[in-house]
Amino acid sequence: DAKTTQPPSMDCAEGRAANLPCNHSTISGNEYVYWYRQIHSQGPQYIIHGLKNNETNEMASLIITEDRKSSTLILPHATLRDTAVYYCIVRITGNQFYFGTGTSLTVIP
Amino acid sequence: GAVVSQHPSWVICKSGTSVKIECRSLDFQATTMFWYRQFPKQSLMLMATSNEGSKATYEQGVEKDKFLINHASLTLSTLTVTSAHPEDSSFYICSAALTVNTEAFFGQGTRLTVV
Repeated sequence: DAKTTQPPSMDCAEGRAANLPCNHSTISGNEYVYWYRQIHSQGPQYIIHGLKNNETNEMASLIITEDRKSSTLILPHATLRDTAVYYCIVRITGNQFYFGTGTSLTVIP
Repeated sequence: GAVVSQHPSWVICKSGTSVKIECRSLDFQATTMFWYRQFPKQSLMLMATSNEGSKATYEQGVEKDKFLINHASLTLSTLTVTSAHPEDSSFYICSAALTVNTEAFFGQGTRLTVV
């Protein structure tokens, strides 16, 4: 599975949109982009995933560039409860989920 | 999302004893379950993948005789840490997927402390 690169940490003001970037320049055509988050001392929570089209659900939006070499997870109105470590994972269907180091997002009041 | 439950949430055991951790998918049948370990301030490390009715596949460097995984049904997988030692103290997390093609949902984790 392709490797991902994420900034180690980010801050976001409460109520503003949080935009979390992820680089996956070696992604192949059959690899999906998944996003999970982990709040301290809990199991990871599934957020969203996509292949090449932009995706939106009740939690977030996923924007994938046309060349698929990078993506952005958007939390439209960040709250204090969104403070967590966010993991971007690239995965071929049927393979395992390997976690990188993620981005520690802190939402500031 | 789907619900995956782990039991116990935390456990303290004496060095040399064995500990069993259960992982259940409560509202779906999981053909595939994953077991992870996480040390403080580190990311999740995949230990093994188990498919219902077959032997688990272990990641390189994970001792299969020490970390016994059983996936006997579509809703239950167990991880047994045998002859636990203090260095096995960690946060163990399971996840379950409906099929190999779908997203995985995670349990709340089990904090193991070996004294």
